[in-house]
Amino acid sequence: QPVLTQSSSASASLGSSVKLTCTLSSGHSSYIIAWHQQQPGKAPRYLMKLEGSGSYNKGSGVPDRFSGSSSGADRYLTISNLQSEDEADYYCETWDSNTRVFGTGTKVTVL
Amino acid sequence: EVQLVESGGGLVQPGGSLRLSCAASGFTFSSYWMHWVRQAPGKGLVWVSRINSDGSSTSYADSVKGRFTISRDNAKNTLYLQMNSLRAEDTAVYYCANFWGGYWGQGTLVTVSS
Repeated sequence: QPVLTQSSSASASLGSSVKLTCTLSSGHSSYIIAWHQQQPGKAPRYLMKLEGSGSYNKGSGVPDRFSGSSSGADRYLTISNLQSEDEADYYCETWDSNTRVFGTGTKVTVL
Repeated sequence: EVQLVESGGGLVQPGGSLRLSCAASGFTFSSYWMHWVRQAPGKGLVWVSRINSDGSSTSYADSVKGRFTISRDNAKNTLYLQMNSLRAEDTAVYYCANFWGGYWGQGTLVTVSS
């Protein structure tokens, strides 16, 4: 089954941009992933599905500031014009026929 | 408006049982595969189990296989997770989710402790 690798933390200043990376394990570089946001003390929230081509499909109500892109086995989530409410944990997730797999999450701090 | 509302969590002793429910509304529940995901205190998200749309196929994480059973009642728009032989390491917030539609519940806390 696929494994997803995420860095543990990232930080950026209010109003700037941050780019998060999720790397698929060898042999799984074509997989579609999803990004989820979890603000402190809240349930996760679906952000988008992201294909290997870089095409993405955002969930309802997700601000335009959130975008996705891909390169090889890497899947990216870019948050532009960072806001205080974007301080959260961000998880990538993928699936095969029988299971779902999450990355370990990246904690984003807004400076 | 889509809603997934979990219930049934609580404090249970090691070796005990608990049944979680997830009431769905705002979408055609019977058309979607459904999942349970858990999150231990201070830890990340971990997939637990899934069930297909008519309940004929299920899958489990190795850590819960043989102890947990996922089921659904499409007439009641409700998803279940029967948890038996509970261990301290099962302590977590349990979320139900519809990944295809991009919906998460608010979670219910299960604490396994003597």
